[in-house]
Amino acid sequence: KAGVTQTPRYLIKTRGQQVTLSCSPISGHRSVSWYQQTPGQGLQFLFEYFSETQRNKGNFPGRFSGRQFSNSRSEMNVSTLELGDSALYLCASSLDLFVNNSPLHFGNGTRLTVT
Amino acid sequence: DAKTTQPNSMESNEEEPVHLPCNHSTISGTDYIHWYRQLPSQGPEYVIHGLTSNVNNRMASLAIAEDRKSSTLILHRATLRDAAVYYCIPMDSNYQLIWGAGTKLIIKP
Repeated sequence: KAGVTQTPRYLIKTRGQQVTLSCSPISGHRSVSWYQQTPGQGLQFLFEYFSETQRNKGNFPGRFSGRQFSNSRSEMNVSTLELGDSALYLCASSLDLFVNNSPLHFGNGTRLTVT
Repeated sequence: DAKTTQPNSMESNEEEPVHLPCNHSTISGTDYIHWYRQLPSQGPEYVIHGLTSNVNNRMASLAIAEDRKSSTLILHRATLRDAAVYYCIPMDSNYQLIWGAGTKLIIKP
């Protein structure tokens, strides 16, 4: 079974630009979560989608948004990039996070550098 | 939100058991305890989770204290591939995992 796939692996953007990251979950998984990981703040929850609906949201500004498609694939978008948005962005899928605490399966992330 | 306390780092010898402790004294009665690990340059990997009783799987065992204020992840026979940062994470009632800084496990050959 293929794991969670995130594209691209690396990205360099300039302040003020916007970026879209993509995540393909494990086949059959309907829940997709996004996390930001930085050396200073660790892993922070961005949002979670299930069946194309955002069910949960962390404490990030509105510049961070996401969506999920009918095939469960998900994208996240960051607009008006700031230097502080440089981070590893991780996507995780699960059968359904709300049911029996089903485990998260993570991709290897997209490393975003904002210059 | 429940907070966790883990040692910053631990060292163990290869092929010996490892006990990774975690304190979560503010956990609520319905919060599951999850453990994940993150190897260098990879995303986190699920290890195990439990609510009240001890749990076992092919990777590890999880021992949860009777009062649920602490838990211990047990790797029965550590290998060099187990060197990673291990996170003990309560899942709160909003189904959000609250990640701390974790324990960096160093395995000595």
